Amino acid sequence: DAKTTQPPSMDCAEGRAANLPCNHSTISGNEYVYWYRQIHSQGPQYIIHGLKNNETNEMASLIITEDRKSSTLILPHATLRDTAVYYCIVRVGGGATNKLIFGTGTLLAVQP
Amino acid sequence: GAGVSQTPSNKVTEKGKYVELRCDPISGHTALYWYRQSLGQGPEFLIYFQGTGAADDSGLPNDRFFAVRPEGSVSTLKIQRTERGDSAVYLCASSRQGNSPLHFGNGTRLTVT
Repeated sequence: DAKTTQPPSMDCAEGRAANLPCNHSTISGNEYVYWYRQIHSQGPQYIIHGLKNNETNEMASLIITEDRKSSTLILPHATLRDTAVYYCIVRVGGGATNKLIFGTGTLLAVQP
Repeated sequence: GAGVSQTPSNKVTEKGKYVELRCDPISGHTALYWYRQSLGQGPEFLIYFQGTGAADDSGLPNDRFFAVRPEGSVSTLKIQRTERGDSAVYLCASSRQGNSPLHFGNGTRLTVT
């Protein structure tokens, strides 16, 4: 059972920031928020993950609300190659249950 | 460096036949996962290996599906008496350890005719 809620689709203009929301209102204290994306005909690609602090890497930024019930993935300058399905996933840190449970994600379409 | 490699990239088989799908994980990754993905859906978890043993096989749909990882590296997903409903993309992923980010291959597209 997916524990996250995402909009099914979003559009973004090329060069603009893409802000992808995710709700995870039932997240537990030891669950991390992970983001993956899947470009057509490829396997999912890891983007970023975090527990409670905001995170940034070369691909994106992850903003997690203080109550941890929602988060936003930010692609600062979207390009056409960022068109993909973006998955927000909560995952227990450590322990024996390490699988990722995917929902249906958000299809981000970057428009020229 | 080399990523997760899956072979074949495409497999067409007849209903009732046996198939094997291979996954070569990233070198040194101890955890290995199998998923399958139907059109328009997110990947569905099948099985997770930590080393040679299956730590979680709760996603295998029935006893026609079986996976092995005898030396803790390469894994094979085996499907007996294939059915048309088994048609999907089968994805493999590996991670350095159980709670590290997963790195996925590009999958094997299985078509059962």
